[in-house]
Amino acid sequence: DVKVTQSSRYLVKRTGEKVFLECVQDMDHENMFWYRQDPGLGLRLIYFSYDVKMKEKGDIPEGYSVSREKKERFSLILESASTNQTSMYLCASSLIRYSNQPQHFGDGTRLSIL
Amino acid sequence: AQKVTQAQTEISVVEKEDVTLDCVYETRDTTYYLFWYKQPPSGELVFLIRRNSFDEQNEISGRYSWNFQKSTSSFNFTITASQVVDSAVYFCALSEPTGTASKLTFGTGTRLQVTL
Repeated sequence: DVKVTQSSRYLVKRTGEKVFLECVQDMDHENMFWYRQDPGLGLRLIYFSYDVKMKEKGDIPEGYSVSREKKERFSLILESASTNQTSMYLCASSLIRYSNQPQHFGDGTRLSIL
Repeated sequence: AQKVTQAQTEISVVEKEDVTLDCVYETRDTTYYLFWYKQPPSGELVFLIRRNSFDEQNEISGRYSWNFQKSTSSFNFTITASQVVDSAVYFCALSEPTGTASKLTFGTGTRLQVTL
């Protein structure tokens, strides 16, 4: 079974802090994704990556950056956290670029910015 | 532009009732994939099914069944004899065009509450 692990289930940070959310997958997947989930808005794609050191913007990249130095690890960075970034963050991975294979998700990180 | 609409925000049923979750999509592609995911209270999205646009056969898996109708751009999900463990948020998703790293467009989700 694919395992996608997010480093924290709950996180509380202060406005202006630099925040790192980590995600690791154990199945050698090429694609990795970061979403945020807000009530009534579903899942919105922040960034994704289809290879090491490659990244592409999703639908709502403003205020975020990402890093993929190793194939199994995809980090989401909030450069200067703001209260409107309080949300549930979900990481996902899928097998091969272009394949439309299912995405496999982690448990999510509920982030609160005070 | 791609779009997925789940018009039902929340549904409540009593255990053993059948329930159908609606999903309507918009795409210009002729080849695409549709997905359903379940998100229980624990938070992790669990993959349920993937369907490609060329396969319109209905699918049944235990108490779950899916009705794909290309003519109405719908991919509805029915749970037969619902159980309390079916309580979750269910998301329908549509694949983006080939060449974009298998991105998905998600609907806003339907929260299903099954009570005794």
